[in-house]
Amino acid sequence: SQTIHQWPATLVQPVGSPLSLECTVEGTSNPNLYWYRQAAGRGLQLLFYSVGIGQISSEVPQNLSASRPQDRQFILSSKKLLLSDSGFYLCAWSAGGGYTFGSGTRLTVV
Amino acid sequence: AQSVTQLGSHVSVSEGALVLLRCNYSSSVPPYLFWYVQYPNQGLQLLLKYTSAATLVKGINGFEAEFKKSETSFHLTKPSAHMSDAAEYFCAVSASNFGNEKLTFGTGTRLTIIP
Repeated sequence: SQTIHQWPATLVQPVGSPLSLECTVEGTSNPNLYWYRQAAGRGLQLLFYSVGIGQISSEVPQNLSASRPQDRQFILSSKKLLLSDSGFYLCAWSAGGGYTFGSGTRLTVV
Repeated sequence: AQSVTQLGSHVSVSEGALVLLRCNYSSSVPPYLFWYVQYPNQGLQLLLKYTSAATLVKGINGFEAEFKKSETSFHLTKPSAHMSDAAEYFCAVSASNFGNEKLTFGTGTRLTIIP
């Protein structure tokens, strides 16, 4: 069966520190991968999506970047976090059968 | 381009009462529509989806939604609310059901159930 792993579940980071959130998918090949951010009262915003290894599309300009070093691995990064980067980050994948979401990472930048 | 508007960021209903969560969409192509539920600090779970077949779609946990093209709506309903329905609900739209199209979400509706 297909599963998606996302970690860590919670993270508290100081302003200016780097960030790395990882998402991995099992049980499928060549999925489309997505990073969404959920800010309080603002719903879910698509940040990045990837249709293949090394292929990243950014939806909104921001302080974050994404990479896909392997077919089933998707990483969200930042070199220097801002307070505005706080939120709930969700990874998702799709492969012709709808979307499956990870359990999310709650990031608090202090 | 697609977009969805969820009317009402907070909805409260009594246990056993009708649940109605509103969603209106805008799409330049025939839309595919989805409802997701999110429990606190968890990911999103698919409740149901409309894929251009039957306009009345039945989902999990007793929820259903009706696609009304003339009203550009896809409202979510449940005849009798249960305490376990308390959660946040998101309506979403894409240009296809193949799962390879980007989903655009509404801002969500937080449902509270009053005992």
